[in-house]
Amino acid sequence: QSVLTQPPSVSGAPGQRVTISCTGSTSNIGAGYDVHWYQQLPGAAPKLLIYGNENRAPGVSGRFSGSRSGTSASLAISGLQDEDGADYYCHSYDSALSGSVFGGGTKLTVL
Amino acid sequence: EVQLVESGGGLVQPGGSLRLSCEVSGFIVTSHYFSWVRQAPGKGLEWVSVIYGGGSTYYADSVKGRFSISRDVSRNTLYLQMNSLRHEDTAVYYCARAQGGTDSAWYSYWGQGSRVTVSS
Repeated sequence: QSVLTQPPSVSGAPGQRVTISCTGSTSNIGAGYDVHWYQQLPGAAPKLLIYGNENRAPGVSGRFSGSRSGTSASLAISGLQDEDGADYYCHSYDSALSGSVFGGGTKLTVL
Repeated sequence: EVQLVESGGGLVQPGGSLRLSCEVSGFIVTSHYFSWVRQAPGKGLEWVSVIYGGGSTYYADSVKGRFSISRDVSRNTLYLQMNSLRHEDTAVYYCARAQGGTDSAWYSYWGQGSRVTVSS
């Protein structure tokens, strides 16, 4: 059971917009700790997409955006493309655990 | 060019030990802080341990007392010593370079991963 909760899967057709939620608690996201997002393609290491809630990592397409509100955060992907099919993970800090925590991951399928 | 290259993974029996290495290039190991993050087969990412620039270390409860993170400045290499290994430690282990504050860090660089299998 992951500390941060993500939907196991989302899907969308090419060109559509999808969002992936990440729900935490008052010891992590709700405490104001930043949320970061990673994309993981099959067999590859995770790649940083969004850091500090809403900042795109260098080289990341403007189709990716992040936000945080209360005890949750979201990753939005607009203009879906086939190559966006991957697993996505949210990441934050938890003061009760004194360490990083990740979401369980969301598998994005481009229909 | 920034690179993190892990090595040392393999098959080990329950109760055994293994030491993972992460050779760093492109920056000095003491100039940033680093974490080990693992991923069990078909599962999500799990933070394992961190070593800060000043040398302080922290561990996930699941590995506390069994794993030890360290670094060798002369070799510019990060290590994860894993003792008393259990079946549930089976995973791909990634070293990652952190950026940002200690409680707001993100992982901007990742190694390719080193596979550890604990089985008899």
